Amino acid sequence: GENVEQHPSTLSVQEGDSAVIKCTYSDSASNYFPWYKQELGKRPQLIIDIRSNVGEKKDQRIAVTLNKTAKHFSLHITETQPEDSAVYFCAASLPINSGYALNFGKGTSLLVTP
Amino acid sequence: EAQVTQNPRYLITVTGKKLTVTCSQNMNHEYMSWYRQDPGLGLRQIYYSMNVEVTDKGDVPEGYKVSRKEKRNFPLILESPSPNQTSLYFCASSLFLGGMNTEAFFGQGTRLTVV
Repeated sequence: GENVEQHPSTLSVQEGDSAVIKCTYSDSASNYFPWYKQELGKRPQLIIDIRSNVGEKKDQRIAVTLNKTAKHFSLHITETQPEDSAVYFCAASLPINSGYALNFGKGTSLLVTP
Repeated sequence: EAQVTQNPRYLITVTGKKLTVTCSQNMNHEYMSWYRQDPGLGLRQIYYSMNVEVTDKGDVPEGYKVSRKEKRNFPLILESPSPNQTSLYFCASSLFLGGMNTEAFFGQGTRLTVV
């Protein structure tokens, strides 16, 4: 199945700085790449997603870029705030007609210090 | 309110005692899945279902069973739980919109301890 690698596993930044989390995937047929945020003791929730026909997507302070040739995608958070502290998961999935299964990276624990 | 509901939220059981964790969604989603979350290992998929009566193994299916008799329900069954199944479990569902994958909605989680 699809293998998703995520780096770094932990990330500490100062408030106001930018944070970047990178993921790679193994199956070039994957076409959907969501990012989830999980606050302590809570369920994962989608923050942004991108499809394989798009190279970049932005939503306020959050952006995701996708490089299909290199099979990697990244999450960029600008002007970080303490409430951005959480665990972030990237994921990749194959098309539905290929046997859809959402495979997650191992997560990045982001700490934003005031 | 659109939601995915898991029960129970917390469960402590003994080795070998069969248990079922229920999952129900009210969004008419075709796709449902179960994940377990362990420190340092992220979210690993146990089983998933593309629709009623269609289920398939994920990455870590050993020791688990599922069924999808109705679209809204996707129970996770542990026939003979063992201590290595102590974990945080999440159920998730999503819609196939125009044949495309969409956001997965997660339940609140079930923290299972097997002693």
